[in-house]
Amino acid sequence: AAGVIQSPRHLIKEKRETATLKCYPISRHDTVYWYQQGPGQDPQFLISFYEKMQSDKGSIPDRFSAQQFSDYHSELNMSSLELGDSALYFCASSKGGGRGNEQYFGPGTRLTVT
Amino acid sequence: EDKVVQSPLSLVVHEGDTVTLNCSYEVTNFRSLLWYKQEKKAPTFLFMLTSSGIEKKSGRLSSILDKKELFSILNITATQTGDSAIYLCAVAIYSGGSNYKLTFGKGTLLTVNP
Repeated sequence: AAGVIQSPRHLIKEKRETATLKCYPISRHDTVYWYQQGPGQDPQFLISFYEKMQSDKGSIPDRFSAQQFSDYHSELNMSSLELGDSALYFCASSKGGGRGNEQYFGPGTRLTVT
Repeated sequence: EDKVVQSPLSLVVHEGDTVTLNCSYEVTNFRSLLWYKQEKKAPTFLFMLTSSGIEKKSGRLSSILDKKELFSILNITATQTGDSAIYLCAVAIYSGGSNYKLTFGKGTLLTVNP
């Protein structure tokens, strides 16, 4: 079965530009989570969606927004990019609003802000 | 503040050795504890533990949770060079409704030398 798909895999942007990251969850998974992992850091929870509604919010900057669409894919929109936004952005999916808790991670999008 | 602490931070062993990785936690609204293996890509799910004292096993890997003492261990027997990776411990924390999020430890970097 296909795993979590993220696109693009690599992205290079300049400061103050905008970026959009996409995540396609595992089939029949209805919950999507976004994590940010800086160099040498553990993944930090940003935001999650269950059944197209925001379900929880972590350390997500106000410059970032996200949504989940009717086909359960999710997009993370990042504006006014800063150098410190350079990181690996992981999307994870699970089934059942997190009750299953087994979050499966996508390959990540490596964002480099220059 | 929710806290997940892993030890050791780094470990170097020879092929064939047995290793034990530790994860302790102090969180509110604990739901489950998960172990992931991260190489140069996305964290790969290993185990999810919700009940104390029940060992989960997959090949040479096994893990157990102690909810009274608030810790878990991950054992790897007969280590191979392919086991070299960062092992992440994460705690799923209930945050209301049907919402959960993962809080990660800093990880243990395991290097297995031939």
